[in-house]
Amino acid sequence: SQQGEEDPQALSIQEGENATMNCSYKTSINNLQWYRQNSGRGLVHLILIRSNEREKHSGRLRVTLDTSKKSSSLLITASRAADTASYFCATGRHQGAQKLVFGQGTRLTINP
Amino acid sequence: EPEVTQTPSHQVTQMGQEVILRCVPISNHLYFYWYRQILGQKVEFLVSFYNNEISEKSEIFDDQFSVERPDGSNFTLKIRSTKLEDSAMYFCASSEIEGSTDTQYFGPGTRLTVL
Repeated sequence: SQQGEEDPQALSIQEGENATMNCSYKTSINNLQWYRQNSGRGLVHLILIRSNEREKHSGRLRVTLDTSKKSSSLLITASRAADTASYFCATGRHQGAQKLVFGQGTRLTINP
Repeated sequence: EPEVTQTPSHQVTQMGQEVILRCVPISNHLYFYWYRQILGQKVEFLVSFYNNEISEKSEIFDDQFSVERPDGSNFTLKIRSTKLEDSAMYFCASSEIEGSTDTQYFGPGTRLTVL
């Protein structure tokens, strides 16, 4: 399957530290997207990286993509308590109408 | 900032009843999607919709499910005869194809509880 799988499944760090979450997938992709979900709420889009890109930044977020290893990482720098949430990667195989295949997610807890 | 909206936020129904979940995608978007998330599990794709027809559907999206865009703004998911295992959070999403992004923007979800 195309599934994105994140690791670790859970991560607990102190406020101010950096948090790194990883995602692996199995098939070729067009793009990979990271989403955040606060408990019981909707999915908030964080960042999209295309298969021909290696790194993208957005504020305190840094995403890398290694298509040879079929993996991506999401780095959140200078974490805040408000970053506490579940983080999911989702892969898309082509442009336009595409089903996103989500991983199981990483539950991130930022301790004050 | 434009956003996807969904109603109701929570729907409780009896097994065997029909439910309609409603979504208003972002106005200039052309692709629409439904996903679901059973409690504690992954978000799963159900169906994508473009140009008034289904583009792709998953194995989950069987004959009990249907989608419709009844007017220029709403996008609905109907479950004809609900089962206990249909209990989940249902998310609507939309994306634009013109321009440079395939980002899918998700609504806040409808929590469906089947008793």
